Amino acid sequence: GQNIDQPTEMTATEGAIVQINCTYQTSGFNGLFWYQQHAGEAPTFLSYNVLDGLEEKGRFSSFLSRSKGYSYLLLKELQMKDSASYLCAVTPYGNNRLAFGKGNQVVVIP
Amino acid sequence: EAQVTQNPRYLITVTGKKLTVTCSQNMNHEYMSWYRQDPGLGLRQIYYSMNVEVTDKGDVPEGYKVSRKEKRNFPLILESPSPNQTSLYFCASSLRKNTEAFFGQGTRLTVV
Repeated sequence: GQNIDQPTEMTATEGAIVQINCTYQTSGFNGLFWYQQHAGEAPTFLSYNVLDGLEEKGRFSSFLSRSKGYSYLLLKELQMKDSASYLCAVTPYGNNRLAFGKGNQVVVIP
Repeated sequence: EAQVTQNPRYLITVTGKKLTVTCSQNMNHEYMSWYRQDPGLGLRQIYYSMNVEVTDKGDVPEGYKVSRKEKRNFPLILESPSPNQTSLYFCASSLRKNTEAFFGQGTRLTVV
Protein backbone atom coordinates (compact mmCIF):
# COMPACT_ATOMS: atom_id res chain seq x y z
CA GLY A 1 0.00 0.00 0.00
CA GLN A 2 0.92 3.64 0.10
CA ASN A 3 -0.18 4.80 3.56
CA ILE A 4 0.85 8.41 3.92
CA ASP A 5 0.97 10.01 7.34
CA GLN A 6 1.04 13.69 8.14
CA PRO A 7 0.59 15.38 11.51
CA THR A 8 -2.67 17.31 11.56
CA GLU A 9 -2.04 20.85 12.76
CA MET A 10 0.65 23.25 13.94
CA THR A 11 0.80 26.91 14.92
CA ALA A 12 3.81 29.13 14.27
CA THR A 13 4.69 32.79 14.58
CA GLU A 14 5.15 35.16 11.67
CA GLY A 15 8.81 35.23 10.62
CA ALA A 16 9.55 31.81 12.10
CA ILE A 17 10.56 28.56 10.39
CA VAL A 18 8.27 25.54 10.37
CA GLN A 19 8.92 21.97 9.21
CA ILE A 20 6.04 19.84 7.95
CA ASN A 21 6.66 16.13 7.86
CA CYS A 22 5.32 13.39 5.62
CA THR A 23 6.02 9.71 6.16
CA TYR A 24 4.85 7.00 3.84
CA GLN A 25 4.79 3.23 3.59
CA THR A 26 5.17 2.22 -0.02
CA SER A 27 7.55 -0.11 -1.81
CA GLY A 28 8.63 2.56 -4.26
CA PHE A 29 7.43 5.59 -6.11
CA ASN A 30 8.53 7.94 -8.87
CA GLY A 31 8.63 11.11 -6.82
CA LEU A 32 6.92 12.99 -4.01
CA PHE A 33 4.77 16.08 -4.46
CA TRP A 34 3.96 18.90 -2.06
CA TYR A 35 0.86 21.05 -2.54
CA GLN A 36 -0.50 24.05 -0.66
CA GLN A 37 -4.22 24.46 -0.11
CA HIS A 38 -5.82 27.56 1.39
CA ALA A 39 -9.18 27.07 3.06
CA GLY A 40 -11.97 26.69 0.51
CA GLU A 41 -9.59 26.83 -2.44
CA ALA A 42 -7.95 24.37 -4.82
CA PRO A 43 -4.53 22.87 -4.06
CA THR A 44 -1.58 24.49 -5.82
CA PHE A 45 1.73 22.84 -6.65
CA LEU A 46 4.78 23.63 -4.52
CA SER A 47 7.46 21.04 -5.31
CA TYR A 48 8.31 17.62 -6.71
CA ASN A 49 11.24 15.60 -5.36
CA VAL A 50 12.58 12.68 -7.36
CA LEU A 51 16.10 12.41 -5.91
CA ASP A 52 17.04 12.21 -2.25
CA GLY A 53 18.14 15.48 -0.73
CA LEU A 54 17.04 19.04 -0.28
CA GLU A 55 15.55 21.20 -3.03
CA GLU A 56 15.23 24.90 -2.33
CA LYS A 57 12.76 27.23 -3.99
CA GLY A 58 12.68 30.65 -2.41
CA ARG A 59 11.25 30.52 1.13
CA PHE A 60 10.14 26.91 0.64
CA SER A 61 12.42 23.86 0.63
CA SER A 62 11.52 20.20 0.29
CA PHE A 63 13.55 17.21 1.42
CA LEU A 64 13.25 13.55 0.48
CA SER A 65 14.83 10.42 1.93
CA ARG A 66 13.61 7.29 0.17
CA SER A 67 15.54 4.94 2.44
CA LYS A 68 13.86 6.44 5.52
CA GLY A 69 10.41 6.76 3.95
CA TYR A 70 10.35 10.40 4.89
CA SER A 71 9.92 13.84 3.39
CA TYR A 72 9.56 17.29 4.84
CA LEU A 73 8.62 20.75 3.66
CA LEU A 74 10.45 23.66 5.26
CA LEU A 75 8.79 27.06 5.30
CA LYS A 76 11.09 29.95 6.20
CA GLU A 77 10.29 33.56 7.12
CA LEU A 78 6.68 32.65 7.67
CA GLN A 79 4.06 35.09 6.44
CA MET A 80 0.38 35.29 7.35
CA LYS A 81 -0.51 34.15 3.82
CA ASP A 82 1.30 30.85 4.51
CA SER A 83 -1.61 29.81 6.75
CA ALA A 84 -2.88 26.83 4.78
CA SER A 85 -2.97 23.07 4.59
CA TYR A 86 0.11 21.36 3.15
CA LEU A 87 -0.40 18.06 1.36
CA CYS A 88 2.13 15.46 0.28
CA ALA A 89 1.36 12.95 -2.48
CA VAL A 90 3.02 10.03 -4.28
CA THR A 91 2.35 7.78 -7.26
CA PRO A 92 3.62 4.32 -6.34
CA TYR A 93 5.46 2.19 -8.88
CA GLY A 94 3.17 0.06 -10.99
CA ASN A 95 0.23 2.28 -10.15
CA ASN A 96 -1.24 5.22 -12.00
CA ARG A 97 -3.11 6.62 -9.02
CA LEU A 98 -1.98 9.66 -7.05
CA ALA A 99 -2.29 9.19 -3.30
CA PHE A 100 -2.45 12.22 -1.00
CA GLY A 101 -1.77 12.46 2.70
CA LYS A 102 -4.50 14.05 4.82
CA GLY A 103 -2.61 17.31 4.99
CA ASN A 104 -1.04 19.36 7.74
CA GLN A 105 -2.78 22.58 8.73
CA VAL A 106 -0.36 25.42 9.48
CA VAL A 107 -1.70 28.47 11.31
CA VAL A 108 0.53 31.53 11.30
CA ILE A 109 -0.03 34.01 14.12
CA PRO A 110 1.35 37.57 14.46
CA GLU B 1 -4.86 31.65 -19.62
CA ALA B 2 -4.02 28.05 -18.73
CA GLN B 3 -6.74 26.67 -16.51
CA VAL B 4 -8.98 23.85 -15.39
CA THR B 5 -12.65 24.79 -15.29
CA GLN B 6 -15.27 22.94 -13.29
CA ASN B 7 -19.00 23.52 -13.28
CA PRO B 8 -21.07 24.04 -11.30
CA ARG B 9 -19.24 25.51 -8.28
CA TYR B 10 -22.11 24.72 -5.94
CA LEU B 11 -24.92 22.20 -6.29
CA ILE B 12 -27.68 21.00 -4.01
CA THR B 13 -29.62 18.02 -5.30
CA VAL B 14 -31.90 15.25 -4.11
CA THR B 15 -31.13 11.59 -3.67
CA GLY B 16 -31.38 9.63 -6.89
CA LYS B 17 -31.40 12.51 -9.35
CA LYS B 18 -28.64 11.98 -11.91
CA LEU B 19 -26.10 14.77 -12.21
CA THR B 20 -22.95 15.60 -14.12
CA VAL B 21 -20.08 17.81 -13.03
CA THR B 22 -18.10 19.06 -15.98
CA CYS B 23 -14.35 19.56 -16.14
CA SER B 24 -12.41 21.11 -18.99
CA GLN B 25 -8.71 21.96 -19.42
CA ASN B 26 -7.04 24.04 -22.11
CA MET B 27 -3.44 22.85 -21.65
CA ASN B 28 -3.53 19.73 -23.86
CA HIS B 29 -2.81 17.61 -20.78
CA GLU B 30 -2.95 13.83 -21.03
CA TYR B 31 -3.65 12.95 -17.39
CA MET B 32 -6.89 14.05 -15.74
CA SER B 33 -8.47 12.97 -12.48
CA TRP B 34 -11.29 13.55 -10.04
CA TYR B 35 -10.93 13.81 -6.26
CA ARG B 36 -13.28 14.22 -3.37
CA GLN B 37 -12.22 15.97 -0.20
CA ASP B 38 -13.87 15.28 3.13
CA PRO B 39 -12.92 16.53 6.62
CA GLY B 40 -10.44 14.21 8.26
CA LEU B 41 -10.02 12.09 5.12
CA GLY B 42 -8.08 14.39 2.85
CA LEU B 43 -8.10 14.23 -0.95
CA ARG B 44 -9.09 10.85 -2.32
CA GLN B 45 -8.90 9.96 -5.99
CA ILE B 46 -12.17 8.80 -7.55
CA TYR B 47 -11.21 8.13 -11.17
CA TYR B 48 -8.37 9.07 -13.44
CA SER B 49 -7.67 9.09 -17.16
CA MET B 50 -4.28 8.56 -18.78
CA ASN B 51 -5.53 9.80 -22.16
CA VAL B 52 -8.55 9.85 -24.47
CA GLU B 53 -10.72 6.76 -24.00
CA VAL B 54 -8.44 5.48 -21.21
CA THR B 55 -9.98 5.69 -17.75
CA ASP B 56 -9.48 3.71 -14.55
CA LYS B 57 -10.67 3.56 -10.97
CA GLY B 58 -9.01 5.46 -8.20
CA ASP B 59 -9.41 4.70 -4.51
CA VAL B 60 -13.11 5.53 -4.12
CA PRO B 61 -14.90 4.89 -7.45
CA GLU B 62 -18.17 3.44 -6.14
CA GLY B 63 -21.21 5.46 -7.22
CA TYR B 64 -19.33 7.45 -9.88
CA LYS B 65 -18.72 7.21 -13.63
CA VAL B 66 -16.46 9.16 -15.93
CA SER B 67 -15.79 9.45 -19.64
CA ARG B 68 -12.95 10.84 -21.71
CA LYS B 69 -14.18 11.23 -25.27
CA GLU B 70 -12.02 14.28 -25.92
CA LYS B 71 -8.68 15.25 -24.45
CA ARG B 72 -9.92 18.47 -22.87
CA ASN B 73 -13.06 17.19 -21.12
CA PHE B 74 -13.46 14.76 -18.24
CA PRO B 75 -16.99 14.84 -16.79
CA LEU B 76 -17.91 13.17 -13.50
CA ILE B 77 -21.30 11.46 -13.50
CA LEU B 78 -23.34 10.49 -10.47
CA GLU B 79 -26.10 8.22 -11.79
CA SER B 80 -28.00 8.01 -8.50
CA PRO B 81 -26.51 10.39 -5.92
CA SER B 82 -26.76 9.52 -2.26
CA PRO B 83 -26.16 11.68 0.86
CA ASN B 84 -22.76 10.03 1.45
CA GLN B 85 -21.60 11.65 -1.78
CA THR B 86 -21.99 15.08 -0.23
CA SER B 87 -18.46 16.43 -0.53
CA LEU B 88 -16.08 18.92 -2.11
CA TYR B 89 -14.98 17.68 -5.54
CA PHE B 90 -11.88 18.70 -7.46
CA CYS B 91 -10.91 17.98 -11.03
CA ALA B 92 -7.20 18.12 -11.91
CA SER B 93 -5.07 17.77 -15.01
CA SER B 94 -1.36 17.30 -15.61
CA LEU B 95 0.79 16.88 -18.67
CA ARG B 96 1.58 13.28 -17.70
CA LYS B 97 1.15 11.08 -14.66
CA ASN B 98 4.11 12.33 -12.59
CA THR B 99 4.00 16.02 -13.36
CA GLU B 100 2.51 19.05 -11.63
CA ALA B 101 -1.27 18.88 -11.34
CA PHE B 102 -3.49 21.89 -11.96
CA PHE B 103 -6.75 21.84 -10.05
CA GLY B 104 -10.16 23.27 -10.88
CA GLN B 105 -11.89 25.63 -8.46
CA GLY B 106 -13.88 22.85 -6.84
CA THR B 107 -17.55 21.84 -6.77
CA ARG B 108 -19.33 21.72 -3.44
CA LEU B 109 -22.06 19.10 -3.76
CA THR B 110 -24.81 18.51 -1.23
CA VAL B 111 -27.15 15.55 -1.66
CA VAL B 112 -30.29 15.66 0.50
